[in-house]
Amino acid sequence: GQSLEQPSEVTAVEGAIVQINCTYQTSGFYGLSWYQQHDGGAPTFLSYNALDGLEETGRFSSFLSRSDSYGYLLLQELQMKDSASYFCAVRDRGATNKLIFGTGTLLAVQP
Amino acid sequence: GAVVSQHPSWVICKSGTSVKIECRSLDFQATTMFWYRQFPKQSLMLMATSNEGSKATYEQGVEKDKFLINHASLTLSTLTVTSAHPEDSSFYICSARDLGRDPIRDPNLSSYNEQFFGPGTRLTVL
Repeated sequence: GQSLEQPSEVTAVEGAIVQINCTYQTSGFYGLSWYQQHDGGAPTFLSYNALDGLEETGRFSSFLSRSDSYGYLLLQELQMKDSASYFCAVRDRGATNKLIFGTGTLLAVQP
Repeated sequence: GAVVSQHPSWVICKSGTSVKIECRSLDFQATTMFWYRQFPKQSLMLMATSNEGSKATYEQGVEKDKFLINHASLTLSTLTVTSAHPEDSSFYICSARDLGRDPIRDPNLSSYNEQFFGPGTRLTVL
């Protein structure tokens, strides 16, 4: 099975940089994705790592180390609108290639 | 493009009644759709995988007779919560996979975002 753990809450101030970690135990997966979800809304895709290393998309970067079973999402120049829940997710190699979500991290950005 | 809709966006029903939620891919074909349930301040838990023209695959612990899934066409899947109870109150979210943008089938795709989520349906059972 798949298990992805994240810190439950993170607090940071506007303009700062914050890192949200994701540690996982899986039986094999295609890649690690990150999603953002505002309260009451749908998850929106942020980033994807198929290979080890850093992927940068604007203010967001994501990192994956398969050897360490670890990844993180880095948010720079934090804005108030970044206050949301963030989920890592893996697409497993089973018959349905289902997307399994991590436990989620609630990010609170303070002025 | 790649829009997924859900209907209704919210519903309140009495205990014991059944509720049907629709999930539609508006501008692409989806042979596979997924149904998730999310309780407040928790993660999305996959309930079942819906495949067009075949039976759904349910996750362990999800009652298939209680949560009926039908994937009648390449653009529509429905979830029916039968004999609803207050503990079924939750946020139900569907997602659809775009066949044309699956990076596993086409490694040349530069953007990995082939699973699109609907806006969710908030179910409250009284």
